[in-house]
Amino acid sequence: KAGVTQTPRYLIKTRGQQVTLSCSPISGHRSVSWYQQTPGQGLQFLFEYFSETQRNKGNFPGRFSGRQFSNSRSEMNVSTLELGDSALYLCASSKAGGREQYFGPGTRLTVT
Amino acid sequence: GENVEQHPSTLSVQEGDSAVIKCTYSDSASNYFPWYKQELGKRPQLIIDIRSNVGEKKDQRIAVTLNKTAKHFSLHITETQPEDSAVYFCAAPTTNTDKLIFGTGTRLQVFP
Repeated sequence: KAGVTQTPRYLIKTRGQQVTLSCSPISGHRSVSWYQQTPGQGLQFLFEYFSETQRNKGNFPGRFSGRQFSNSRSEMNVSTLELGDSALYLCASSKAGGREQYFGPGTRLTVT
Repeated sequence: GENVEQHPSTLSVQEGDSAVIKCTYSDSASNYFPWYKQELGKRPQLIIDIRSNVGEKKDQRIAVTLNKTAKHFSLHITETQPEDSAVYFCAAPTTNTDKLIFGTGTRLQVFP
């Protein structure tokens, strides 16, 4: 099976812009979770989607949003980018009812 | 709130020695405890996990132990090799969700 894929892999944006990141889960996986990874804060949970519904949400401002499509692919959007949003954004997929999460390679976002 | 503490933050060992990383969690209802290995520039990879109905699980040179009473779990790597060098993360879910709370990571360096 193909693993979790994320696009784009690298992105450079300026403050105030918005960005959309994409995640394609492993075939058959219906749950997608998003994480922000920074050197200082480690892996921080953003949100989780299952069957096109947001099931859990972390402690991030409303500028961070996401959605999931009927084919389980997920996107996350960050509006009004700030310098502090520079990070590696990882998504992870898991089977329905499964606990094992498998990560994608991440999208490295740099905000200048 | 939910919290996972991980120690030590860095660990240096000689090749062939053992390495132990410890994590404590706050949610007593947590019942699944994965460990991830992240090599430089790569995605976190699930290397072993344990569920709350067992106290220990082994897979070749790695093992995880769980003490539910004390709310801590540990990763043990025996006969360490240079390719074990990476950042290791523990995690625990919040009650009845797939939302994983990650520890802050341990950078393991194995010197030949």
